[in-house]
Amino acid sequence: AQSVAQPEDQVNVAEGNPLTVKCTYSVSGNPYLFWYVQYPNRGLQFLLKYITGDNLVKGSYGFEAEFNKSQTSFHLKKPSALVSDSALYFCAVDQENQGGKLIFGQGTELSVKP
Amino acid sequence: DTGVSQDPRHKITKRGQNVTFRCDPISEHNRLYWYRQTLGQGPEFLTYFQNEAQLEKSRLLSDRFSAERPKGSFSTLEIQRTEQGDSAMYLCASSLDPSLQERSPPDSGNTIYFGEGSWLTVV
Repeated sequence: AQSVAQPEDQVNVAEGNPLTVKCTYSVSGNPYLFWYVQYPNRGLQFLLKYITGDNLVKGSYGFEAEFNKSQTSFHLKKPSALVSDSALYFCAVDQENQGGKLIFGQGTELSVKP
Repeated sequence: DTGVSQDPRHKITKRGQNVTFRCDPISEHNRLYWYRQTLGQGPEFLTYFQNEAQLEKSRLLSDRFSAERPKGSFSTLEIQRTEQGDSAMYLCASSLDPSLQERSPPDSGNTIYFGEGSWLTVV
């Protein structure tokens, strides 16, 4: 069965420092991987996705993620965190040709302090 | 492109009442999804449509839940005889079938865009 794990409930980072939000997945076949961000009482905003090709994908707001097939990971990164990046981040997986039924992780709360 | 719209944004209802949520997807998107999100959890898939056809329903979608997309455009999600356990945020999302990608901006296929959600509180 498909699954996504976000091992950290919360990540705390100082503004200006690099940040990493971890995600590992389990899926048979070729995975489609996504990161979404959610601000309080709001819907999910798409950040980036990996479908195929270059393992390093760049997305919105300076975020990027690296697909690592051998480690079945898709960690979200940003070189320099902003206070405004503080939000809830979700990793999600879709199996190829499954019509976009995303399986989400539990979410990671990112807190960036000045 | 105004994005995915959901209405109402918030609904408080008494247990046993029926509620209906509406979703208007991004105009050129032929796929429409419903998800449910409870506090502290990631969204869970409920059902999805390709055009007007409902192609899959999760086991989470009990008999009290029904979703429609009669003309392949907007969709409604109705919950009958609401229970306190139905309290959650109901998220609608849409996407473009990847096979149609050549008619859309590059690399837009497979990306699922979410609305702002409809909060349901059952008291």
